[in-house]
Amino acid sequence: EAGVTQFPSHSVIEKGQTVTLRCDPISGHDNLYWYRRVMGKEIKFLLHFVKESKQDESGMPNNRFLAERTGGTYSTLKVQPAELEDSGVYFCASQWYSTDTQYFGPGTRLTVL
Amino acid sequence: ILNVEQSPQSLHVQEGDSTNFTCSFPSSNFYALHWYRWETAKSPEALFVMTLNGDEKKKGRISATLNTKEGYSYLYIKGSQPEDSATYLCAFMTGDYKLSFGAGTTVTVRA
Repeated sequence: EAGVTQFPSHSVIEKGQTVTLRCDPISGHDNLYWYRRVMGKEIKFLLHFVKESKQDESGMPNNRFLAERTGGTYSTLKVQPAELEDSGVYFCASQWYSTDTQYFGPGTRLTVL
Repeated sequence: ILNVEQSPQSLHVQEGDSTNFTCSFPSSNFYALHWYRWETAKSPEALFVMTLNGDEKKKGRISATLNTKEGYSYLYIKGSQPEDSATYLCAFMTGDYKLSFGAGTTVTVRA
């Protein structure tokens, strides 16, 4: 069974540019989460999808971040315009049902210069 | 903001020795505690999901215990091997299903 995949693995952009991160969850997992780890700190929750609906987006830092999950399959996280403090590793996780294990992807390392 | 503390921040272990470390979390609104093993640039690997007070789980040489009343969990590694070198993350889950992570304990096993 394929795990959670994320693309790209690394992205280096300049301040003010736009970047879109993609997450493909494990097939059949309705729950999809985005998390972020900034330099040396804890991994922090960003938002939670159930199928194509946003269940909880309380962790999104500001309106420069936009997440979508069209058709309840893959998800994208767009940062527009990127700022220096957005640098970090963005993780995606998927889950079959709410009390199950959350399976993580390898993350996208974003560097904003 | 949920305060999840892990200690120590890092530790070095001689190959063959056993070790353990702690995760502390709020004792209220407990839903589940997750343990992950993470090597940089790889996916955090799920080790355990623990839900009941007194739970004990085991996977190979790694085991974990849970005390929800006092808000702590221990993770044990028996007979450490170099491949056990990684950062071990615990994450506390409340009823809204999102995980609040600790900063991790980085284990280095010396051959």
